[in-house]
Amino acid sequence: DTAVSQTPKYLVTQMGNDKSIKCEQNLGHDTMYWYKQDSKKFLKIMFSYNNKELIINETVPNRFSPKSPDKAHLNLHINSLELGDSAVYFCASSPRRRTNTGELFFGEGSRLTVL
Amino acid sequence: GENVEQHPSTLSVQEGDSAVIKCTYSDSASNYFPWYKQELGKGPQLIIDIRSNVGEKKDQRIAVTLNKTAKHFSLHITETQPEDSAVYFCAASKAGAGSARQLTFGSGTQLTVLP
Repeated sequence: DTAVSQTPKYLVTQMGNDKSIKCEQNLGHDTMYWYKQDSKKFLKIMFSYNNKELIINETVPNRFSPKSPDKAHLNLHINSLELGDSAVYFCASSPRRRTNTGELFFGEGSRLTVL
Repeated sequence: GENVEQHPSTLSVQEGDSAVIKCTYSDSASNYFPWYKQELGKGPQLIIDIRSNVGEKKDQRIAVTLNKTAKHFSLHITETQPEDSAVYFCAASKAGAGSARQLTFGSGTQLTVLP
């Protein structure tokens, strides 16, 4: 199936630990994103990569480090996890500018719970 | 930066009635206004969008209107059905670097359609 897939879907961990969330898209899109959705459902962009190059980096603690090994993958690594990092993290992708309708294609989310 | 406000935060309607969700935006340069539907446990999915050169767009039971002068846009769902129950997000954006489109989302509306 063509899709944006994220793993893991659920992640429960202790404060201070380091964890990663992986994202892959097989839609052939050039741009990938990480969004954070808090407990009040508010969606906020964290990062965007275009062809492995970082182009959007919102005010996010430097404990969060995205890595894009190729244009189909965008992983999110989080160091020294804090309680406030608990949220659902969504990966998304969009096609290149020439064919960019503006639509974002979201994964199903990774629910991170920090204890 | 862009600021998008969305109302109401919760909306309950009887099956068959209409539902209206309203959003305002702050950046007059924004030119793309999508609406996303997020079902429980899923990622947001685009349901309709409108660009600033159009005042209204309709797709079956869903319509969106845009008033550029007042900087507000609305989602209208007619003949609501239980499967319309979800969280709906409005968003606004302008073209960004590369092919990235930095969407600013509203705070979401939980729509419940009562059978």
